[in-house]
Amino acid sequence: QSVLTQPPSASGTPGQRVTISCSGSSSNIGSYNVHWYQQLPGTAPKVVIFTNNQRPSGVPDRFSGSKSGTSASLAISGLESEDEADYYCATWDASLNAVVFGGGTKLTVL
Amino acid sequence: EVQLVESGGGLVQPGGSLRLSCAASGFAFSANWMHWVRQVPGKGLMWVSRMNPDGSSATYADSVKGRFTISRDNAKNTLYLQMDSLRAEDSAVYYCSRSLLGASDYWGQGTLVTVSS
Repeated sequence: QSVLTQPPSASGTPGQRVTISCSGSSSNIGSYNVHWYQQLPGTAPKVVIFTNNQRPSGVPDRFSGSKSGTSASLAISGLESEDEADYYCATWDASLNAVVFGGGTKLTVL
Repeated sequence: EVQLVESGGGLVQPGGSLRLSCAASGFAFSANWMHWVRQVPGKGLMWVSRMNPDGSSATYADSVKGRFTISRDNAKNTLYLQMDSLRAEDSAVYYCSRSLLGASDYWGQGTLVTVSS
């Protein structure tokens, strides 16, 4: 059971916009920045959004992040087949004194 | 180019020990927080530990506290994870990562640890 709650799966067709949610509490998302990671099969995770809504260089502007209260979300617009991957949210948790990850969302491009 | 290369994984019996290494290059290693994150194949990510830039402060996940020790040698640009009293549930791919503004912006390729008799 992860501290941060993500839907286990999401899907969309090419060109669509999909959103992945990440729900937490006041001790984590409510107080700290949220980061999002993409993990393609057989590879290490890669950050696609940091500090809630910042995109690293090289990440397409189709990726965006937002945070409100104790929830955060990752949006991917203009969905492409290469976006098919597992996505994880993460932040610090003051109660646990630990970095916490969401359980991950498997994104399927239909 | 930033590179993180983990090594030291392998097969170990329950109760045994293993030391993982993460060789860093391409950035000012001594200026960055560093993390260890693990992942059971086919499962999600789990944070293990982190260390501050000068090695004076470490934090651990409850599940490894008292058994794992993170350390670093800034002269050698290397991060370590000493794992003692290993259990079957510690079996996973272990990644080291560099932290920037709280996010892990660079990750190694991972090293597989298997705890089994």
